[in-house]
Amino acid sequence: NAGVMQNPRHLVRRRGQEARLRCSPMKGHSHVYWYRQLPEEGLKFMVYLQKENIIDESGMPKERFSAEFPKEGPSILRIQQVVRGDSAAYFCASSPPARAGDYGYTFGSGTRLTVV
Amino acid sequence: AQTVTQSQPEMSVQEAETVTLSCTYDTSESNYYLFWYKQPPSRQMILVIRQEAYKQQNATENRFSVNFQKAAKSFSLKISDSQLGDTAMYFCAFCHPYGGSQGNLIFGKGTKLSVKP
Repeated sequence: NAGVMQNPRHLVRRRGQEARLRCSPMKGHSHVYWYRQLPEEGLKFMVYLQKENIIDESGMPKERFSAEFPKEGPSILRIQQVVRGDSAAYFCASSPPARAGDYGYTFGSGTRLTVV
Repeated sequence: AQTVTQSQPEMSVQEAETVTLSCTYDTSESNYYLFWYKQPPSRQMILVIRQEAYKQQNATENRFSVNFQKAAKSFSLKISDSQLGDTAMYFCAFCHPYGGSQGNLIFGKGTKLSVKP
């Protein structure tokens, strides 16, 4: 039973390029959360998605960032025209279609994005 | 808005000894969940222990236990018989129980724990 799979593990982008981060939730999990971790900081919530729906994007920057969770395939976090301040570790977590706190969240290993 | 505070940026402990990591939080809710996550150098976020606010009994998982003081909004983690593999960042986190738009985790800034041989 594979856990939450994130790829790539490391991603290097030049300023102005696009970054695409992928997350496949655990089998049976239909809720996906994206978090960002800046150096020496805890994780900060970005967006919460269910299949084909964005439920809460209150933590997403208003520009350049978008997320999707299509009916088929992984969830994608997309960052357009990356800047140095986007350099961070991006984590995905999934939970079952129930009260998330009952089961906790299963995290992926994260994608470390470096903008040069 | 809910906040989580970890006042100890770094701690160290000798192998086999006991260490306690502090966490306080602020919320007006009466029901919620609290978590401790471990993040070793591999960066993987690993759930250590979970506490439901309406349960008075403190959660325990092997060498890990919590001291949950609801009135004081305090949720400390005690690690007994510390092992070298316990060396990691430890994050305290809070969430509402209902999932959905309130289900996201709110994290503290973490405590870096070093276990010394």
